Amino acid sequence: GENVEQHPSTLSVQEGDSAVIKCTYSDSASNYFPWYKQELGKGPQLIIDIRSNVGEKKDQRIAVTLNKTAKHFSLHITETQPEDSAVYFCAASRAGGTSYGKLTFGQGTILTVHP
Amino acid sequence: DTGVSQDPRHKITKRGQNVTFRCDPISEHNRLYWYRQTLGQGPEFLTYFQNEAQLEKSRLLSDRFSAERPKGSFSTLEIQRTEQGDSAMYLCASSGGTASPFFGPGTRLTVL
Repeated sequence: GENVEQHPSTLSVQEGDSAVIKCTYSDSASNYFPWYKQELGKGPQLIIDIRSNVGEKKDQRIAVTLNKTAKHFSLHITETQPEDSAVYFCAASRAGGTSYGKLTFGQGTILTVHP
Repeated sequence: DTGVSQDPRHKITKRGQNVTFRCDPISEHNRLYWYRQTLGQGPEFLTYFQNEAQLEKSRLLSDRFSAERPKGSFSTLEIQRTEQGDSAMYLCASSGGTASPFFGPGTRLTVL
């Protein structure tokens, strides 16, 4: 089955700095890679996703890059703000048919943004 | 309809008791998923419904676990003879079409 590794497990930055979280996956058939943000006491919330037919996607301060050859993808947050502090999870799946929601998650990164 | 809702939000039970959780998905979503999340880990897939049909179950879902979605709307997850190892956050998610799943707030289960 799929295995997703996520690094670092904790990340501390100053407000305004950039943050980068990296993930690798094992299943070459995986073609859908979402990122979720989870705040204390809440369920994961989708923040951005990328499909295997593109190498990069950007949404305001958040961007994701994908390298299918190396089987890794990364989340980039620019101009970080204290409200970005949360746990971030990467995930992978074989999207298509019935598989869109069957996600394999990484272990999570605790991001702390200091004012 | 403001999103996926789950009930109860917290459940404390004694080892050996049965518990049942409910999930109400976003109304137009035909897919519903259950995940389990233990402290410090990412969610792990348990099972998945398309409408009322349960299409896939993880090996994590032992025979003490059963999930239903009788009319293709809400779903229940029952755990029989709970064990301390069942303590976790149980997350429900729903999706429609090719959209990513939307997660509910979860039910935190503590087995004493």
